[in-house]
Amino acid sequence: DTGVSQDPRHKITKRGQNVTFRCDPISEHNRLYWYRQTLGQGPEFLTYFQNEAQLEKSRLLSDRFSAERPKGSFSTLEIQRTEQGDSAMYLCAGAGAGGYTFGSGTRLTVV
Amino acid sequence: GENVEQHPSTLSVQEGDSAVIKCTYSDSASNYFPWYKQELGKGPQLIIDIRSNVGEKKDQRIAVTLNKTAKHFSLHITETQPEDSAVYFCAAREGGNEKLTFGTGTRLTIIP
Repeated sequence: DTGVSQDPRHKITKRGQNVTFRCDPISEHNRLYWYRQTLGQGPEFLTYFQNEAQLEKSRLLSDRFSAERPKGSFSTLEIQRTEQGDSAMYLCAGAGAGGYTFGSGTRLTVV
Repeated sequence: GENVEQHPSTLSVQEGDSAVIKCTYSDSASNYFPWYKQELGKGPQLIIDIRSNVGEKKDQRIAVTLNKTAKHFSLHITETQPEDSAVYFCAAREGGNEKLTFGTGTRLTIIP
């Protein structure tokens, strides 16, 4: 257990449906990151929060994606109108004074 | 932006032998280079990292070397054990930037 929790671990959804994932970092993590990982690839950066402020967004984060961290603690990532290309592992990482600590991810399958 | 290349994509090593994984990066402004180990069904786990002001760092059986001039860095695992079998990723981060750019991973298999 890394201390960074992600829920759900797996999600299967029909194309066109909306999905929301949650990440709970540990209290010391003032920075929070979302990455996406497809099969056989390294994680790709999506977005980053410093406390509750979203400071950077990747071009990968289309208009269908939105992320929030309302109180600077947990974060949610929502994907609207899912497409088959959204199928991937969505990883959350927290960071404080040290390096990143990743959660175990949410595996999304869009059918 | 930063581009990180990683080789080899797969590596099989006899138990007890050493394993070496190499990465190159493109942006000379990058100053932080972590290595992650990812096991099946889990997120990446930081195993060692190095900053650009250091040429080598060691932690028990694991070491990382950095050549800033050539823009490449390597992971060395000595006395490999079956539990070292996993996918290993290198990454680089530009100075003043929070984003990590990852390599494509190396699947390491330790043969008993």
